[in-house]
Amino acid sequence: ETGVTQTPRHLVMGMTNKKSLKCEQHLGHNAMYWYKQSAKKPLELMFVYNFKEQTENNSVPSRFSPECPNSSHLFLHLHTLQPEDSALYLCASSQLAGANYNEQFFGPGTRLTVL
Amino acid sequence: GQNIDQPTEMTATEGAIVQINCTYQTSGFNGLFWYQQHAGEAPTFLSYNVLDGLEEKGRFSSFLSRSKGYSYLLLKELQMKDSASYLCAVREGTGGFKTIFGAGTRLFVKA
Repeated sequence: ETGVTQTPRHLVMGMTNKKSLKCEQHLGHNAMYWYKQSAKKPLELMFVYNFKEQTENNSVPSRFSPECPNSSHLFLHLHTLQPEDSALYLCASSQLAGANYNEQFFGPGTRLTVL
Repeated sequence: GQNIDQPTEMTATEGAIVQINCTYQTSGFNGLFWYQQHAGEAPTFLSYNVLDGLEEKGRFSSFLSRSKGYSYLLLKELQMKDSASYLCAVREGTGGFKTIFGAGTRLFVKA
């Protein structure tokens, strides 16, 4: 148990659907992250939130919309996705985004398939 | 821009020692991490280096040379359960908010 949970674990959606991914951390951390992991590609950082404020948007298309209502919850709202968006979406948290020793704790991920 | 290179795959024998190398180029450096990821699971933290030298933690050690943009992860007394992907990740210095991951090295441990 890593203390970071993600729902749903699997999601299949059509290109015209709207869905949301949810992440919750129970570790008292102040920073949360969204990553995309595609087969045979590096983990790609999408967004970083530090104390509920977005500090990084790594040139992510607007069809991905993050929301961080508090330090424990992070959402990724999805709309009009493309098949190439199919991937594993990982959420992570850490104590502080800018701290020196800053290991990230990852959730189990949501396996997304866009048809 | 950032660039992190590590071998795609390695194979080693149970009980042996294996060294996984990572080279990086980044506009700023604020620490290097190694993560382990078993197939179908989330990455888990292994080690962190911000100063030059060797950090040892049980069977795992990690080395960093900032001047050479180089790190390695050393795994001793290999066990079958060590079969996994090992991800090298560099945190950028500017603000320290971005962590860039390498593609990972898939390690196969054989009996």
